[in-house]
Amino acid sequence: QKEVEQDPGPLSVPEGAIVSLNCTYSNSAFQYFMWYRQYSRKGPELLMYTYSSGNKEDGRFTAQVDKSSKYISLFIRDSQPSDSATYLCASPNAGGTSYGKLTFGQGTILTVHP
Amino acid sequence: DGGITQSPKYLFRKEGQNVTLSCEQNLNHDAMYWYRQDPGQGLRLIYYSQIVNDFQKGDIAEGYSVSREKKESFPLTVTSAQKNPTAFYLCASRADRAINSPLHFGNGTRLTVT
Repeated sequence: QKEVEQDPGPLSVPEGAIVSLNCTYSNSAFQYFMWYRQYSRKGPELLMYTYSSGNKEDGRFTAQVDKSSKYISLFIRDSQPSDSATYLCASPNAGGTSYGKLTFGQGTILTVHP
Repeated sequence: DGGITQSPKYLFRKEGQNVTLSCEQNLNHDAMYWYRQDPGQGLRLIYYSQIVNDFQKGDIAEGYSVSREKKESFPLTVTSAQKNPTAFYLCASRADRAINSPLHFGNGTRLTVT
């Protein structure tokens, strides 16, 4: 079982829709969760990160973590064609010899059509 | 502008040849990483380096080698021993040891081996 699982989609929605992107994780030691956005033929860029349980909002984006069910979500409100990208969830391993290692989900390909 | 430069953007090689991918950063980051990205599999860690002249194997190091002679540079060699070398390769760096310190990625090198 992968430590972080993500539905690869693809997901296609009309402009203005609310998008829900989801991941599950199996390692109870994971405390921080990150969402990266990757445009085609580019490297990923950090979109948001959140700690443990709860919500974090940044403009049209909301990241949510439910530690009890080991579920991570990213919501995009009023989605735009410029949001079309691959979205990757990730969590860092803490300390030891795994310094700085991020465990990534498979990525979800999102297309927002006008 | 600070960032990570990967070159070349596209690389084609014949089977049996070694090939070296370049990664240079001017962010003054100590830690650098190489990830491989395949469709539907997310990012997988190949090698990472926390400091000059030191590096550790990641999850899929077989068939790859690295060096870290300078802080700014972390080249990756894909050897003929790597059974499925065709992939998108991403180099990243990280500012510090804080667990929530994000990775900064380059724009990748797409390697095709025929």
